[in-house]
Amino acid sequence: RKEVEQDPGPFNVPEGATVAFNCTYSNSASQSFFWYRQDCRKEPKLLMSVYSSGNEDGRFTAQLNRASQYISLLIRDSKLSDSATYLCVVNRDTGFQKLVFGTGTRLLVSP
Amino acid sequence: DADVTQTPRNRITKTGKRIMLECSQTKGHDRMYWYRQDPGLGLRLIYYSFDVKDINKGEISDGYSVSRQAQAKFSLSLESAIPNQTALYFCATSDLQGRLDEQFFGPGTRLTVL
Repeated sequence: RKEVEQDPGPFNVPEGATVAFNCTYSNSASQSFFWYRQDCRKEPKLLMSVYSSGNEDGRFTAQLNRASQYISLLIRDSKLSDSATYLCVVNRDTGFQKLVFGTGTRLLVSP
Repeated sequence: DADVTQTPRNRITKTGKRIMLECSQTKGHDRMYWYRQDPGLGLRLIYYSFDVKDINKGEISDGYSVSRQAQAKFSLSLESAIPNQTALYFCATSDLQGRLDEQFFGPGTRLTVL
């Protein structure tokens, strides 16, 4: 079993739709959690961190459920520019900075 | 100018050849990393360095070596390339003093071993 698992998609949605991605992680000792975005053939970039209390950044909302070892990302009012692969990322140890990456969920937003 | 640069951006080579991928950063970060990305496998850590004198193996270091020539430079070598090392390679940096968990990636090197 992979340490971080994601549905690979692709998720095909029209502009303006709301879409949700889920991610599960297996290491209960994991300390911190993130969503990175990766455009086709480009480098990954941090989208947002994920906190137990939930956090929102504009149209993006991230949630963490430590008991279920589950992370989610909600995108509201999807834009064409949101088309990308979204990587769920877990850090096992904040002092160590060893990030474990999921394989990513691909999102395609169409006009 | 990009904060993290990688050279070359694309390379095609033959089995058995020695290849060096280079990474430079102007972010002033202490920590540097090399990853490879393969379809369906995600990013996997090859080597990481927390400072010039500190080099550590990641989860898939076999067949690779690294050199941290300076704080700003971290090179990855394939001593004798083999076809299953065909992948997209990323260098990344992070800041010990700043946000510990955010890593900044270079644009990647696409390596093909024939």
